[in-house]
Amino acid sequence: DVKVTQSSRYLVKRTGEKVFLECVQDMDHENMFWYRQDPGLGLRLIYFSYDVKMKEKGDIPEGYSVSREKKERFSLILESASTNQTSMYLCASKQELIYGYTFGSGTRLTVV
Amino acid sequence: GNSVTQMEGPVTLSEEAFLTINCTYTATGYPSLFWYVQYPGEGLQLLLKATKADDKGSNKGFEATYRKETTSFHLEKGSVQVSDSAVYFCALSDNNFNKFYFGSGTKLNVKP
Repeated sequence: DVKVTQSSRYLVKRTGEKVFLECVQDMDHENMFWYRQDPGLGLRLIYFSYDVKMKEKGDIPEGYSVSREKKERFSLILESASTNQTSMYLCASKQELIYGYTFGSGTRLTVV
Repeated sequence: GNSVTQMEGPVTLSEEAFLTINCTYTATGYPSLFWYVQYPGEGLQLLLKATKADDKGSNKGFEATYRKETTSFHLEKGSVQVSDSAVYFCALSDNNFNKFYFGSGTKLNVKP
């Protein structure tokens, strides 16, 4: 069974900390995505990547960066965490010619 | 631009009731349309999809028809079960840019 694995289900960090959220997919997909999910706002795209070392800003990139050094791994980085970044973070991957995402189980991040 | 609007929840139904969750979209070009489901504590799973006008997507008793004339993709199920309780997201894919746009989600509660 194909998988997108996010390293943590729950995370609590302090304001100002640097936070790394890791995502690994085992499907050899080219496209990977980071979303945040907030009540009433649905899913909002933070960053995405079409290939290794390639990244594109989504709709809400401010306060975030990403890293894709290997095809299977896409990391989301909060350079200096703030309380308004408390959210559920979802990673997804998609193969070029196949429609639809495969999602990870999500990381619920709380910044205190 | 591209956007998806779906009915606000929560929707509360009794078991075996008929379900409709409305979804309308705005898009340039010819998008593909999707319904995703999120069970408690999990990531999103693809429920069904339709890639062109008049296509009907179906899965697990759920159906949705791609209506270009009304720019709609309403989700229906003839007889819901308690196990269908989840959050349902309508989404469209801009095929030119490989990006997805999600609605805000509709929570469905099915009571025995």
